[in-house]
Amino acid sequence: QKEVEQDPGPLSVPEGAIVSLNCTYSNSAFQYFMWYRQYSRKGPELLMYTYSSGNKEDGRFTAQVDKSSKYISLFIRDSQPSDSATYLCAMIMNYGGATNKLIFGTGTLLAVQP
Amino acid sequence: EAGVTQFPSHSVIEKGQTVTLRCDPISGHDNLYWYRRVMGKEIKFLLHFVKESKQDESGMPNNRFLAERTGGTYSTLKVQPAELEDSGVYFCASSQLAGGLTYEQYFGPGTRLTVT
Repeated sequence: QKEVEQDPGPLSVPEGAIVSLNCTYSNSAFQYFMWYRQYSRKGPELLMYTYSSGNKEDGRFTAQVDKSSKYISLFIRDSQPSDSATYLCAMIMNYGGATNKLIFGTGTLLAVQP
Repeated sequence: EAGVTQFPSHSVIEKGQTVTLRCDPISGHDNLYWYRRVMGKEIKFLLHFVKESKQDESGMPNNRFLAERTGGTYSTLKVQPAELEDSGVYFCASSQLAGGLTYEQYFGPGTRLTVT
């Protein structure tokens, strides 16, 4: 069983739609949860990170963590064609510790149609 | 400020040959990570350097892979001899180390390795 499960998509939405991206995980030791965005032929770029359960908002993006369900989400409001990319969830057991290897989901390919 | 750079961007080699990938981290970043994405799979951790020391190499698949970071600056990842299953995209990431704590990892664009 994979530690982190993520629907690979592809997910296609019209411009302006609200997008919901999700991951589930099996290891309750994960404490920090990240969302990365990856454009084609580029490296992953950190969008947001959250600690433990709760919500965090940054502009059009909201990250949500439910540790009791081992479920994390990323919401994108007023989606734009420039949001078209692969979105990767990633987790760390102990951010700021001696080693912070990221455990990734497979990524969801998002296409926002103009 | 220059980001993480990787060279080459793409390498095509035959099974049994040797390939060396290079990563130049962001200047001043003591942490350097190697990750790999095999087609259809998730990005997976390979190893972590703190300066020139290997902190964690639990993700290295086998002894055909050798990573070095002489002088604590750039790093190389050598695959010798390459096998078909080594094909994938190899990412390098770096992060700063301050007060014993490590922070956001910045990724390079990756090296796409194709073994034929």
